[in-house]
Amino acid sequence: AQKITQTQPGMFVQEKEAVTLDCTYDTSDPSYGLFWYKQPSSGEMIFLIYQGSYDQQNATEGRYSLNFQKARKSANLVISASQLGDSAMYFCAMRETVSSGSARQLTFGSGTQLTVLP
Amino acid sequence: NAGVTQTPKFRILKIGQSMTLQCAQDMNHNYMYWYRQDPGMGLKLIYYSVGAGITDKGEVPNGYNVSRSTTEDFPLRLELAAPSQTSVYFCASSRSDRGGGNEQFFGPGTRLTVL
Repeated sequence: AQKITQTQPGMFVQEKEAVTLDCTYDTSDPSYGLFWYKQPSSGEMIFLIYQGSYDQQNATEGRYSLNFQKARKSANLVISASQLGDSAMYFCAMRETVSSGSARQLTFGSGTQLTVLP
Repeated sequence: NAGVTQTPKFRILKIGQSMTLQCAQDMNHNYMYWYRQDPGMGLKLIYYSVGAGITDKGEVPNGYNVSRSTTEDFPLRLELAAPSQTSVYFCASSRSDRGGGNEQFFGPGTRLTVL
């Protein structure tokens, strides 16, 4: 089974509107972390936001917020007031406590390509 | 701080050739990682290291080797390049592998084509 599922290969949003990018995850680990990264067309990976499984409140970082629904195992990224520079690929990733090796590893989803329209 | 640097940015290899992708970080991070990203896909972990002298296999280690002789450097070696290794390679580092504030910082990537 996929550990991280991003069901929206592509999304469009009008400039200045809000958009939600979906992410669902699968784990039996009670302690885990969820990350969102942005990858613009230039290719670099930019960290956006982190949510710990025991965090009581949804994480927020500027225009980014994470809609964390633990029972549904979803961690959707909400971008408010979209800007043209938000056009990029967005990846959801999970880090579990249990690891088969010497460190806890990140598992990435397949990404969502967001296009902001002027 | 330069963060995580990678060289080269682009490389074309012939089948059977070998090469080393360089990665360095100046943040004194213990943890370092190598990923590959195939077109339209997410990142897959190749190898990682939790400190100098310690390396471990990730999800897709076949055809690659790594070493970690210093905290700063984590080179990735491709032996006998194959077309299936055509990909973009990212190096990353982090202070730790747990908790908030320990996200992975990524280098700019190396685009490798094997013909």
